[in-house]
Amino acid sequence: NAGVTQTPKFRVLKTGQSMTLLCAQDMNHEYMYWYRQDPGMGLRLIHYSVGEGTTAKGEVPDGYNVSRLKKQNFLLGLESAAPSQTSVYFCASSYGTGAGNQPQHFGDGTRLSIL
Amino acid sequence: KNQVEQSPQSLIILEGKNCTLQCNYTVSPFSNLRWYKQDTGRGPVSLTIMTFSENTKSNGRYTATLDADTKQSSLHITASQLSDSASYICVVESGTYKYIFGTGTRLKVLA
Repeated sequence: NAGVTQTPKFRVLKTGQSMTLLCAQDMNHEYMYWYRQDPGMGLRLIHYSVGEGTTAKGEVPDGYNVSRLKKQNFLLGLESAAPSQTSVYFCASSYGTGAGNQPQHFGDGTRLSIL
Repeated sequence: KNQVEQSPQSLIILEGKNCTLQCNYTVSPFSNLRWYKQDTGRGPVSLTIMTFSENTKSNGRYTATLDADTKQSSLHITASQLSDSASYICVVESGTYKYIFGTGTRLKVLA
């Protein structure tokens, strides 16, 4: 039972390069989320999805795009990386609101540095 | 402005001792309050979830309390172990899909 798996775990990019972060969950969760965690700040929501084929903006969506073509996968894309996007990115998943108060399950993060 | 504030920022205790972490929130609407444990280099792991009507919830040596009137929560760790060294994050769910995260308390347990 892998839970939430993020790839890659580490990546260094140059300013202007693009990349995609992959999140996969094997718990049949409806909801998936992308967060970033910066020093001295709480996790901030970038984008989220409430089901296959749906996405929505979170608190800090600028410079990122997402796709949820399959229920188990949630992709986060950086089209033109900027140093301000240096961060640790966490993916999470959870059951839908109909399941009551359920925890979010987090992956172990992708550490991204933009030079 | 919705905020979740945690104190202290960091804490060092000796193995076997108890400790209490604090969380104050100004979040509306309020759905529930969560405590997560985050080990270094890992993602957060859920410890407890409390709704408005719950005052106390335990998970092994971890006991969370919630005072919805004063908008305060605490996480009490009993008989600390070296493996308790981690960051503890308080999170308030506000409505649907909206989670307000605190900045965490970093706990170090020394042998």
